[in-house]
Amino acid sequence: QVQLQESGPGLVKPSQTLSLTCTVSGASISSGGYYWSWIRQHPGKDLEWIGYIYHTGSTNYNPSLKSRVTISVDTSKNQFSLKLRSVTAADTAVYYCARESAMAIIVWGQGTLVTVSS
Amino acid sequence: DIQMTQSPSSLSASVGDRVTITCRASQSISNYLNWYQQKLGKAPKLLIFAASSLQSGVPSRFSGSGSGTDFSLTISSLQPEDLATYYCQQSSTFPYTFGQGTKLEIK
Repeated sequence: QVQLQESGPGLVKPSQTLSLTCTVSGASISSGGYYWSWIRQHPGKDLEWIGYIYHTGSTNYNPSLKSRVTISVDTSKNQFSLKLRSVTAADTAVYYCARESAMAIIVWGQGTLVTVSS
Repeated sequence: DIQMTQSPSSLSASVGDRVTITCRASQSISNYLNWYQQKLGKAPKLLIFAASSLQSGVPSRFSGSGSGTDFSLTISSLQPEDLATYYCQQSSTFPYTFGQGTKLEIK
């Protein structure tokens, strides 16, 4: 059974960089066939797709965040990561990592709340 | 970006009722439409993919239909455990976008 677990600081100061890691168990990122994604959910409940990475390192980002986002993968650790630069209060959200097929988001992590505040 | 609009935003129904939630895309997305269920404090869970395909392990009382711009999710006989918020999502065009959610309450 594939499981994903987010980890990282729950509090980030404005203008700093939000960094999260997703650890995958029950499947190998390097096997291919799936995309490894980040999605966030603002306190008002709206869901926003941030982007994904393939095991080759190929990425696709939401244009609204593209200038501030980097998603990377470490296949040796079976992990992938999110960095979001220059954060503001508007970046406060629950961040989910997930596994996507070509059609849908199949498996979600439990999510981690990141609050941007001084 | 493709805008996804769900209706209603909330609804209340009784156990055993047939419930339908609709989702409209701002442009044609063929059948690239997914439905997710999110229970309070939990991550979303995939129910339906490709507009009408039931994800493995999801009860058969859930069904989806539609193509192009208009889609619907139907629960044939509402159960107490269906208390949740339901989201549609298009996977036709980047960036993938979600509807605003429909909060389902049990009377």
